[in-house]
Amino acid sequence: GNSVTQMEGPVTLSEEAFLTINCTYTATGYPSLFWYVQYPGEGLQLLLKATKADDKGSNKGFEATYRKETTSFHLEKGSVQVSDSAVYFCALTDSNTGKLIFGQGTTLQVKP
Amino acid sequence: GAGVSQSPSNKVTEKGKDVELRCDPISGHTALYWYRQSLGQGLEFLIYFQGNSAPDKSGLPSDRFSAERTGGSVSTLTIQRTQQEDSAVYLCASSLTGVGTEAFFGQGTRLTVV
Repeated sequence: GNSVTQMEGPVTLSEEAFLTINCTYTATGYPSLFWYVQYPGEGLQLLLKATKADDKGSNKGFEATYRKETTSFHLEKGSVQVSDSAVYFCALTDSNTGKLIFGQGTTLQVKP
Repeated sequence: GAGVSQSPSNKVTEKGKDVELRCDPISGHTALYWYRQSLGQGLEFLIYFQGNSAPDKSGLPSDRFSAERTGGSVSTLTIQRTQQEDSAVYLCASSLTGVGTEAFFGQGTRLTVV
């Protein structure tokens, strides 16, 4: 079946550092790929998405590119802020059914 | 309502009792999902409803768990004979069509089994 694997956390960075959170997937067909974020005390919300190969999703300075050849969707940000501290989830929807499954989540802590 | 609504927000129950958790999705959304999130853990898929199709129940952890979606709208997740390991936050989400569309999450129901 489909699955999503994220790098282990927690990730601790200093403000203005470069961020990469790795995400790889296993899926049949052409899934859509997502990054969701859960800020402390808040609900899950969409950060960005890409629905086909080579698409780049971007939002709030974060980017991720749908790489079919490496089955990856790594999240990057050039300069993190304390306010980016949160749990980040990589996810996919099955291209036939729309079933949404998540990776295990990566906790990011940014220190001033 | 404007978003996905879940009730109750908190539920404390005694071991062995049955509980019902409710989810009101965004109007017009055909896809509805239930997940479980234990403390410090990821999102465990439970069940997925899509339109009139048979639900994908592949994530339900045991036959004590069941869910229904009435009239393509409101959904209820039922846990029978609750156990302490059922303690978690239960999240509901809905999306317009499922495939490639954003899922909107409710605030969750925090279930504590004592």
